[in-house]
Amino acid sequence: EPEVTQTPSHQVTQMGQEVILRCVPISNHLYFYWYRQILGQKVEFLVSFYNNEISEKSEIFDDQFSVERPDGSNFTLKIRSTKLEDSAMYFCASRRDLYQPQHFGDGTRLSIL
Amino acid sequence: AQTVTQSQPEMSVQEAETVTLSCTYDTSESDYYLFWYKQPPSRQMILVIRQEAYKQQNATENRFSVNFQKAAKSFSLKISDSQLGDAAMYFCACTSGSRLTFGEGTQLTVNP
Repeated sequence: EPEVTQTPSHQVTQMGQEVILRCVPISNHLYFYWYRQILGQKVEFLVSFYNNEISEKSEIFDDQFSVERPDGSNFTLKIRSTKLEDSAMYFCASRRDLYQPQHFGDGTRLSIL
Repeated sequence: AQTVTQSQPEMSVQEAETVTLSCTYDTSESDYYLFWYKQPPSRQMILVIRQEAYKQQNATENRFSVNFQKAAKSFSLKISDSQLGDAAMYFCACTSGSRLTFGEGTQLTVNP
C-alpha cells in the first residue's frame, strides 16, 4: 500500500538555524498538509496546500514558516530561525480529494537546542 | 471555530474485553467527516475508522465500531475483544473544510 514518506525521522538543530522538513506524499494525491504535535499535547493543524498554493493556514503558521512543492513529488516545510518552542513532532499528510481521509507520514521529530 | 473534546485522558481495559472511548465535537459545517486515529508509542498516526456525517449508519471496521449521535454531536469508539496491540493514544478528529481538528487524546492501556 502506498504511503507518505517523511525525512529525516529525527532532526536536531541549534536555535536560530533554519530547518527543512521533507515529505513525499502519495503519488496521486492532490491535497497536502503539515501538522505539529508538541510532546504530550494534541495534534495541531499548520497548513494545507493545493494546486501549488496554500489553501488554508492556522494562526501557528506565521512568517517563520513556509511550504513548497519544488517538484512533482516533494512537499517541504521550512522553519526559519528556529525557536525552542518549535521542538515537536511534525506530520505530513496527503489525500486524493476532499472526500478521502488524510494519510499521515511517520513524522519528523524536531529537537531545537 | 471547530472543537473536539475527549473527556477521558486515560482508559484501561482487560485483554479480550470491550472498551468505549468518548468524543464530542462542535462544528458549524453541515457536511463533515469524523475520524478516530491511533498513535502507538512510535508516534505514527494510523487511521482506525471514519464516519461521514450524512450517513446515519454507524461505521464498523472489524473489532472497531462507532456510535455516532449527530444531534448530540457525539462520536464514541468501541473496541471489542481488546488486544495488547490496541494499547495506544487514540485521537478523535473532525474535518473543517480542509483541515482536521483533533481532540486531546485518550491513552488506552490494555491489561493482560
